[in-house]
Amino acid sequence: GDSVTQMEGPVTLSEEAFLTINCTYTATGYPSLFWYVQYPGEGLQLLLKATKADDKGSNKGFEATYRKETTSFHLEKGSVQVSDSAVYFCALNPFSGGYNKLIFGAGTRLAVHP
Amino acid sequence: DVKVTQSSRYLVKRTGEKVFLECVQDMDHENMFWYRQDPGLGLRLIYFSYDVKMKEKGDIPEGYSVSREKKERFSLILESASTNQTSMYLCASSFVDAGELFFGEGSRLTVL
Repeated sequence: GDSVTQMEGPVTLSEEAFLTINCTYTATGYPSLFWYVQYPGEGLQLLLKATKADDKGSNKGFEATYRKETTSFHLEKGSVQVSDSAVYFCALNPFSGGYNKLIFGAGTRLAVHP
Repeated sequence: DVKVTQSSRYLVKRTGEKVFLECVQDMDHENMFWYRQDPGLGLRLIYFSYDVKMKEKGDIPEGYSVSREKKERFSLILESASTNQTSMYLCASSFVDAGELFFGEGSRLTVL
């Protein structure tokens, strides 16, 4: 079935370091892909999305490119800040059976130190 | 601002108690969802609803039921709480054909 695999955390970085969080997926058809972020004590909020192959989603300095050939949607940021410390979830919408059900990865915790 | 509001941020219940978790959205969304979040497992779908009085099982419906009597409100019910239902519960909503889900802040349930 459809699934999402993320790199395990925690990821610990110093401020201004480069960030990559790997995400790969398995899906039939043409899913949409998402990155959600969960700050401490809060619910999830959409960080960025891509709806078709080769699309690049971007927001708040984060980027991810929908790579159909490698079934990947890796999250990157050139220079992280302490305020980026959060849990990041990769997700896909397979659009199978309707209803807009998203499938989430296990989440990757990021800790950024000054 | 769009808003999904969950009635309780923290609950402590005893084994065997009936538990109600309520969720209200103000965006006129057709779809509403209940997820469970556990470390290392990510989010797992319990139930969802695509219309008033309509519901569908997700991936882990056992031990749970839901109710949607009004479009804006979706309730999760634990008929007889058990310790393995200790978890974070997240409500979300969306339009019927839109990819983005809007989440509430979560309800952390502890069953003793």
